[in-house]
Amino acid sequence: EAGVAQSPRYKIIEKRQSVAFWCNPISGHATLYWYQQILGQGPKLLIQFQNNGVVDDSQLPKDRFSAERLKGVDSTLKIQPAKLEDSAVYLCASSSLAGTYNEQFFGPGTRLTVL
Amino acid sequence: DQQVKQNSPSLSVQEGRISILNCDYTNSMFDYFLWYKKYPAEGPTFLISISSIKDKNEDGRFTVFLNKSAKHLSLHIVPSQPGDSAVYFCAAISSGSARQLTFGSGTQLTVLP
Repeated sequence: EAGVAQSPRYKIIEKRQSVAFWCNPISGHATLYWYQQILGQGPKLLIQFQNNGVVDDSQLPKDRFSAERLKGVDSTLKIQPAKLEDSAVYLCASSSLAGTYNEQFFGPGTRLTVL
Repeated sequence: DQQVKQNSPSLSVQEGRISILNCDYTNSMFDYFLWYKKYPAEGPTFLISISSIKDKNEDGRFTVFLNKSAKHLSLHIVPSQPGDSAVYFCAAISSGSARQLTFGSGTQLTVLP
């Protein structure tokens, strides 16, 4: 079974530029998550999708961040314009609907550096 | 407001000895706890979990203990192996949330050969 795929793996941009990250979840997983992990901290949830609908985006800085999951499969996270403090690893995870606890499977992440 | 805290950023242990990683939480609504392991340049992978109705869960060399009254959990690795060297994240799920994970800041475990 293929895992969660993310691209690019690394991205360096200057502040005020735009950037987009792509995630392809495990096949059949209905729930998709985007996390931001700043150096020295644990992952922080930005947005959660169930199929192509948003379940929770309360921690997404909506003035500059946006995310979509068209057709309920792939997802894209965009930052426009980027700030220095957006430097972090952006992790995508997916889970199925089965069970009382839905184990989340993480992709390798995209490391963003904003100069 | 950090609801899940891992106060030790790093831990070094000799191969073959016990590793004990600690985690404290403040939210009484947490009812499920997990440990994730993360190698460099990889995403976190699930290691072991425990429900709030239990006080211990064991899986091979890994045991998680939960002390609800103290709002404390710990992960024991016995015996520790060099391949266990990684960052370990404690995470919790609230009964009132959409089963979302709240992570601690992680502990870097180094097992010395």
